[in-house]
Amino acid sequence: QQQVKQSPQSLIVQKGGISIINCAYENTAFDYFPWYQQFPGKGPALLIAIRPDVSEKKEGRFTISFNKSAKQFSLHIMDSQPGDSATYFCAASKGNYGGSQGNLIFGKGTKLSVKP
Amino acid sequence: NAGVTQTPKFQVLKTGQSMTLQCAQDMNHNSMYWYRQDPGMGLRLIYYSASEGTTDKGEVPNGYNVSRLNKREFSLRLESAAPSQTSVYFCASSYSYGSGYEQYFGPGTRLTVT
Repeated sequence: QQQVKQSPQSLIVQKGGISIINCAYENTAFDYFPWYQQFPGKGPALLIAIRPDVSEKKEGRFTISFNKSAKQFSLHIMDSQPGDSATYFCAASKGNYGGSQGNLIFGKGTKLSVKP
Repeated sequence: NAGVTQTPKFQVLKTGQSMTLQCAQDMNHNSMYWYRQDPGMGLRLIYYSASEGTTDKGEVPNGYNVSRLNKREFSLRLESAAPSQTSVYFCASSYSYGSGYEQYFGPGTRLTVT
């Protein structure tokens, strides 16, 4: 049972374009939704995160849009740059951080390539 | 701060051999995790330790054991390696803050079982 579904698997965007990656979740108890960025040969790193009490969060060129009723959230990368080329993972967890309730459930990842 | 460190970086095992993957963090985090990453499968949790002295199974624990040696160290042991355990293994530690929590990942161990 895949609790967090991520699409697309891969994405090619021209430099300066907008990259959009989507995730859908099933468990309505999830209340924390982070995005992780992973470069080849490295471990994932937290990029941006949102809680369901807001519909949008922006940090620089990265924006999370959250639709609670549809149980969907997405990552938008504005003015995409070749340096953004990486694999992006969405994730979700419930609120009891550090215990079994707080473990992150990851999507399967999206490989983004930004062409110069 | 070194963050989360893992050893070794690469390892090749023959089927049936055993080995221990080491992980240490210097951020004073209570929780630590072991994941495996396979192509197209994302990150899957093997075991986690919510605090020193406790460990629990994650999504894919079969064939693995863990030890939370102290607050800093969390090791993963393969008792009898199988080709299906060929993967990249990541250790992570986490802390919580007001509106969420962040997991810090190590650089990974690439394991091949032949």
